[in-house]
Amino acid sequence: KNEVEQSPQNLTAQEGEFITINCSYSVGISALHWLQQHPGGGIVSLFMLSSGKKKHGRLIATINIQEKHSSLHITASHPRDSAVYICAVRGARGGSQGNLIFGKGTKLSVKP
Amino acid sequence: ETGVTQSPTHLIKTRGQQVTLRCSSQSGHNTVSWYQQALGQGPQFIFQYYREEENGRGNFPPRFSGLQFPNYSSELNVNALELDDSALYLCASSSGLVAYNEQFFGPGTRLTVL
Repeated sequence: KNEVEQSPQNLTAQEGEFITINCSYSVGISALHWLQQHPGGGIVSLFMLSSGKKKHGRLIATINIQEKHSSLHITASHPRDSAVYICAVRGARGGSQGNLIFGKGTKLSVKP
Repeated sequence: ETGVTQSPTHLIKTRGQQVTLRCSSQSGHNTVSWYQQALGQGPQFIFQYYREEENGRGNFPPRFSGLQFPNYSSELNVNALELDDSALYLCASSSGLVAYNEQFFGPGTRLTVL
């Protein structure tokens, strides 16, 4: 079993829909990242959080440390949101700061 | 302030050859991490360099090696290439080793091994 699991693996939505992507992890963490990867590979960091909730524009990320679960929400989705969304965690102890553990990603396609 | 850059963007090699990938970290960042992303998978941690020293390594064989230079740019070297080394190689830079420091990713180098 992977240490970081995302669901769904693939998601197709109509423009304007509210989207939720989920991430569950099995290790103690110091931080959780949500990343966006466009075709061609470039990765953009959306959020880094260790508790509570963060909002940036139409994106909202929440984390529940007790339940080891995080969600990424997109409100009023748009075709330009189409990308792979990746959840990654950094362990709470041991390892180097760079040792992010990644989920496999959720491929989002927003249709006009 | 320039972002993280990587070169080359694409590369084709044959089995057994050696390859060097390059990464220039974001201005002010002294830490570089390298990741391998196979098609359809999430990235896997290869190793990290902090102030020119290796500071952690993932589950990759010794034929994966690296360097960090005094200007904090970095190289990833892979010897004796295998077909399974075909992947997107990402580097990310950050400032220091504090766990909460955000990493900034480069665009990646796509390596194809034939």
